[in-house]
Amino acid sequence: KAGVTQTPRYLIKTRGQQVTLSCSPISGHRSVSWYQQTPGQGLQFLFEYFSETQRNKGNFPGRFSGRQFSNSRSEMNVSTLELGDSALYLCASSLASPSRGGETQYFGPGTRLLVL
Amino acid sequence: DQQVKQNSPSLSVQEGRISILNCDYTNSMFDYFLWYKKYPAEGPTFLISISSIKDKNEDGRFTVFLNKSAKHLSLHIVPSQPGDSAVYFCAASARGTYKYIFGTGTRLKVLA
Repeated sequence: KAGVTQTPRYLIKTRGQQVTLSCSPISGHRSVSWYQQTPGQGLQFLFEYFSETQRNKGNFPGRFSGRQFSNSRSEMNVSTLELGDSALYLCASSLASPSRGGETQYFGPGTRLLVL
Repeated sequence: DQQVKQNSPSLSVQEGRISILNCDYTNSMFDYFLWYKKYPAEGPTFLISISSIKDKNEDGRFTVFLNKSAKHLSLHIVPSQPGDSAVYFCAASARGTYKYIFGTGTRLKVLA
């Protein structure tokens, strides 16, 4: 079974631009979560989607948004990019929402975003 | 508000010895915990999990211990191998919150 895939793997943007990242979950997985990883900060939760509905959102500004499609694929968008948005963006999928407990999340390779 | 803490940013262990990575949490509602290993420029790889109804879970060389009263969990790797050198993250989830909270990671270096 194919793992979580993310595109693109690397991206360079300039301040003020916007960016859209894509995530395809493991087949059959309905929950997709997004995380931002910066040096020294660990993984910071952005949002989680289940059956096209956002179930939870982290403490990020409204410039960060996402959506999930009927096939469980997900996109996240960052508008008006800032230098501090440079990070590794990780997508993770699980069979069902973590709210059920016991649901392991499997991560994709990430998208490395550099904002100049 | 760091609900999940990994207070040791780095750890060095000799090959063949035991590696013990620690994780503390503050939210008593957390009921499921995961450990991940991460290499540079890759996504985290799932290692082992534990539910709050258990105090130990074992999978090959990896064992996770959970002490609910102390709000502490630890990952034991025995024996440690050079290929185990990576950053290790613990993560916790509370039922109904739809998210995992991650620690800041511990960099493990296994010396040959």
